[in-house]
Amino acid sequence: DQQVKQNSPSLSVQEGRISILNCDYTNSMFDYFLWYKKYPAEGPTFLISISSIKDKNEDGRFTVFLNKSAKHLSLHIVPSQPGDSAVYFCAATKNDYKLSFGAGTTVTVRA
Amino acid sequence: GAVVSQHPSWVICKSGTSVKIECRSLDFQATTMFWYRQFPKQSLMLMATSNEGSKATYEQGVEKDKFLINHASLTLSTLTVTSAHPEDSSFYICSARMRGLAGKNIQYFGAGTRLSVL
Repeated sequence: DQQVKQNSPSLSVQEGRISILNCDYTNSMFDYFLWYKKYPAEGPTFLISISSIKDKNEDGRFTVFLNKSAKHLSLHIVPSQPGDSAVYFCAATKNDYKLSFGAGTTVTVRA
Repeated sequence: GAVVSQHPSWVICKSGTSVKIECRSLDFQATTMFWYRQFPKQSLMLMATSNEGSKATYEQGVEKDKFLINHASLTLSTLTVTSAHPEDSSFYICSARMRGLAGKNIQYFGAGTRLSVL
């Protein structure tokens, strides 16, 4: 049962523009959400996270928004850079610390 | 961020042999480590949770006798794929849990191991 869903398998954006990645979840017990970035043949790299008691968290070019009522979160990257081209995974957890991952969204930043 | 080292990064072995993969947290103590498997173009699938000094907890459908996990210290966990077969060929990734400032735990990942069984 896929509790975390990333419905867009790919996203193409022009360098300098905003990248918006979306993630939906079904388990209302999730209380912590994370975004990871992954290059081919490498492990995921932690990007940013947000607690369920907040609706926004910002770190440099990365901002995560959480809409609990809609069970939806998004990651904004602005401005997008060529080095941002990678696969982005959304993940969620409740107190038992196991992460549930989405299927990932492949971002391609065009020069 | 915290550094997790995974070794080897790539291994090729003959069918029937066993392969050991190491996962080390280099600059922090990890009470819990996780082992994932990733199939091409799919998400990470949690295989097992490894707690230091105790038996690993395996996810449903993962054979514990096939995938042996040992968490001997706060900085080292190993995954041994026993009697490997071609269907075990995959990308295996470990992670270590680090307690964050807000009391929430962030997992930091190793670089992964590409296993190819001939």
